Amino acid sequence: AQSVTQPDIHITVSEGASLELRCNYSYGATPYLFWYVQSPGQGLQLLLKYFSGDTLVQGIKGFEAEFKRSQSSFNLRKPSVHWSDAAEYFCAVGAYGGATNKLIFGTGTLLAVQP
Amino acid sequence: EPEVTQTPSHQVTQMGQEVILRCVPISNHLYFYWYRQILGQKVEFLVSFYNNEISEKSEIFDDQFSVERPDGSNFTLKIRSTKLEDSAMYFCASSPGTPVQETQYFGPGTRLLVL
Repeated sequence: AQSVTQPDIHITVSEGASLELRCNYSYGATPYLFWYVQSPGQGLQLLLKYFSGDTLVQGIKGFEAEFKRSQSSFNLRKPSVHWSDAAEYFCAVGAYGGATNKLIFGTGTLLAVQP
Repeated sequence: EPEVTQTPSHQVTQMGQEVILRCVPISNHLYFYWYRQILGQKVEFLVSFYNNEISEKSEIFDDQFSVERPDGSNFTLKIRSTKLEDSAMYFCASSPGTPVQETQYFGPGTRLLVL
């Protein structure tokens, strides 16, 4: 069955430090992978996505993610974190059957940024 | 930039009452979705809708739930007889259509509290 695991429930980093959020997936075919961010009181905003091609994908707000098939991972990175990056981050895999493309989400990683 | 909107942002209801959650997807999108997020848990797929019918539904989406696209712009989720465990954030999403890799765009959510 398809699933997504985000091992880190909560991470705290200092402003200006680098960030890596982990995501592992289980999917039988070629995965379509996404990272979404949810700021307090807000909806889910797409940061980036991987469908095919270059395994290093760039997203909005200076984020990037690298798809590693051998490790079934799609980790999110940012070289220098800003206070406004404090939010909850969700990794998701697209699971497709018939005419739909539902998303299966991980449990999320809550990021806190220290001044 | 076009966005998905949802109303109301918050709703409080008594157990056993019916609620209707409303969504306006991005115009010219063809696929519509409802997801929910119980507090502290992952975002879960409920149902997808295409061409005026349900494409796929999860085991959560039982007979108390229904969806409708009553006109050309709205997409609604009805919960017929609410239970305490229906308390959650409900997200609407839409996507342009096939191919299956299309990005889903999420609304800000409706927080439902059942007392």
